[in-house]
Amino acid sequence: DIQMTQSPSSLSASVGDRVTITCRASQGIRSYLAWFQQKSGTAPKPLIYAASSLQSGVPSKFSGSGSGTDFTLTISSLQPEDFATYYCQQYSSYPITFGQGTRLEIK
Amino acid sequence: QVQLQESGPGLAEPSGTLSLTCAVSDGSISSNNRWGWVRQPPGKGLEWIGEIYDSGSTSYNPSLKSRVTISMDKSNNQFSLKMSSVTAVDTAVYYCASRDYYGSGSYNYWGQGTLVTVSS
Repeated sequence: DIQMTQSPSSLSASVGDRVTITCRASQGIRSYLAWFQQKSGTAPKPLIYAASSLQSGVPSKFSGSGSGTDFTLTISSLQPEDFATYYCQQYSSYPITFGQGTRLEIK
Repeated sequence: QVQLQESGPGLAEPSGTLSLTCAVSDGSISSNNRWGWVRQPPGKGLEWIGEIYDSGSTSYNPSLKSRVTISMDKSNNQFSLKMSSVTAVDTAVYYCASRDYYGSGSYNYWGQGTLVTVSS
């Protein structure tokens, strides 16, 4: 199985900040990497696919980069609605695996 | 766009079988999409269970493979999950999800999730 490791596990930031979350794969996954946002009690919301492509309707404040084993999700100009848990997911090979999540909290 | 809705009992008996169905609307289950299940124990992260393709082929998480069956009902445009020999550790919110394998490739449609509690 490909292990996905996110860092940090939690992050405190202020409204207006720019934050970056990192996801590392235990082996190369080319660009088969997705990012999801999840708020308490709701289903994960797709943000990015293919490492850097924005899902339809997702604001451009979200951006992704990377390929191979190292990936990042950057959120610019944080707003109150952005405080949530973020997950990366690889779909390069089975089994599909998720990172452990990064909880983004208001400072 | 595709809409997904999980249904099934919210309670399963220990050592019994958990059964859930995902109804697909505004899309055909016979498309090139892959139809999957993901679960999330309370307060924990996401775990992929498996998925089924339009041909009926399946892929499962090896950690669950011996207990899981995913099937497709094309006539009713739905797919299902059965998990046998459940224990308390199988208590989780179960999500169905869909991905356009030849498009974005990742799960871009999700159901709202349904909580299944394993308890006597």
